[in-house]
Amino acid sequence: ETGVTQTPRHLVMGMTNKKSLKCEQHLGHNAMYWYKQSAKKPLELMFVYNFKEQTENNSVPSRFSPECPNSSHLFLHLHTLQPEDSALYLCASSQASGVGETQYFGPGTRLLVL
Amino acid sequence: GESVGLHLPTLSVQEGDNSIINCAYSNSASDYFIWYKQESGKGPQFIIDIRSNMDKRQGQRVTVLLNKTVKHLSLQIAATQPGDSAVYFCAENGEDTGRRALTFGSGTRLQVQP
Repeated sequence: ETGVTQTPRHLVMGMTNKKSLKCEQHLGHNAMYWYKQSAKKPLELMFVYNFKEQTENNSVPSRFSPECPNSSHLFLHLHTLQPEDSALYLCASSQASGVGETQYFGPGTRLLVL
Repeated sequence: GESVGLHLPTLSVQEGDNSIINCAYSNSASDYFIWYKQESGKGPQFIIDIRSNMDKRQGQRVTVLLNKTVKHLSLQIAATQPGDSAVYFCAENGEDTGRRALTFGSGTRLQVQP
């Protein structure tokens, strides 16, 4: 295992639901990331947090709301999602968010929006 | 625009043969390159990385080659085993890109035939 855990592993939600994805890293890292992985598309960066501060928001719709209460935990709050938001959501962490920092990924949350 | 892409979506090899997975990138300012392996139902797993001041780096059964002149990266896997079957992603970043998170290619699926 990589030291990055994600819960839940699978999630089915309706378009009017509100749910949250959780990520926890046990590596002592200071940077955490959310990625979206859709079928046949490259991994898409969503958000970057460095020392609990958001440093990148890759033009993500406001129906995705990240939260980073500390360097070990990262949440992605979901509300009024669309079916096209169905994807694998991956969390990653690295020592810092600079160039050359190896990112370690969790197993992902498979999300299905009905 | 800046992009990281893969030449072949699927590569099929015989067990015991060597595999070569290729990746082209367009950002001449890229400083850091990394290969990930993603097995079904799992998040991407770090394989090997290389910095722009090197042209070759070896790991256990894997070698990464970097040709900055033609902006080409390759991953060589020696004596390919069934457990190597997965999707392989290359990724890069660099200080001049204006973003420090990794940019990923679309992936190559490696199928190892027994």
